[in-house]
Amino acid sequence: QSALTQPPSASGSPGQSVTISCTGTNSDIGGFNFVSWYQQHPGKVPKLIIYEVTKRPSGVPDRFSGSKSGNTASLTVSGLQAEDEADYYCNSYAGDNNLIFGGGTKLTVL
Amino acid sequence: QLHLQESGPGLVKPSETLSLTCTVSGDSMSSDYYFWTWVRQPPGKGLEWVGNVYHKGGAWYNTSLKSRLTVSIDTSMSQFSLRLRSVTAADTAVYYCVTHRRFADYIDYWGRGILVTVSS
Repeated sequence: QSALTQPPSASGSPGQSVTISCTGTNSDIGGFNFVSWYQQHPGKVPKLIIYEVTKRPSGVPDRFSGSKSGNTASLTVSGLQAEDEADYYCNSYAGDNNLIFGGGTKLTVL
Repeated sequence: QLHLQESGPGLVKPSETLSLTCTVSGDSMSSDYYFWTWVRQPPGKGLEWVGNVYHKGGAWYNTSLKSRLTVSIDTSMSQFSLRLRSVTAADTAVYYCVTHRRFADYIDYWGRGILVTVSS
């Protein structure tokens, strides 16, 4: 079970949009529409921001959106705000009741 | 609204067994909606799915930990547990107990996490 591949870092200026990719295989991202994304601020517990590829839990701003094409999922943060600076982790169902995480992306708001 | 709370020793010696318990409140552990799950995060590193257990039976483990790991459940105590044998410094991490929502396969509830350090 190798981790899903995410870029280690991403950045953007306030108001801009940034997209974070998450690449897996046919056995995880490509095989199921069960990709989720988590936001983690330093010293805090991760928070669910996207599930089932595109869905947002109640209370998550619509500036956060998700998509998937083939074996790659993406998280887009539009209208960047200072509070969006955090680590972001993708996750996918990998069959047999297993989950797999990406390595994480540190998002910096310039 | 589920509440999860990890408990256990914060320091374990190399080659010994790491044992943690998660106490659940706010809903029945006999719910068909959840796998009861452990996730860990080494200091300064990313999240890793460790393993999970279902109240009707069955446990599933990260293949890299499978030979050393047992996850079990006691619904009468509203608890589930992790036992990781023969630990090394590489097992030093914050361990989170979480809920894996079945049929949609995301994690919705997290405990606050417990730091376990493996050191002599």
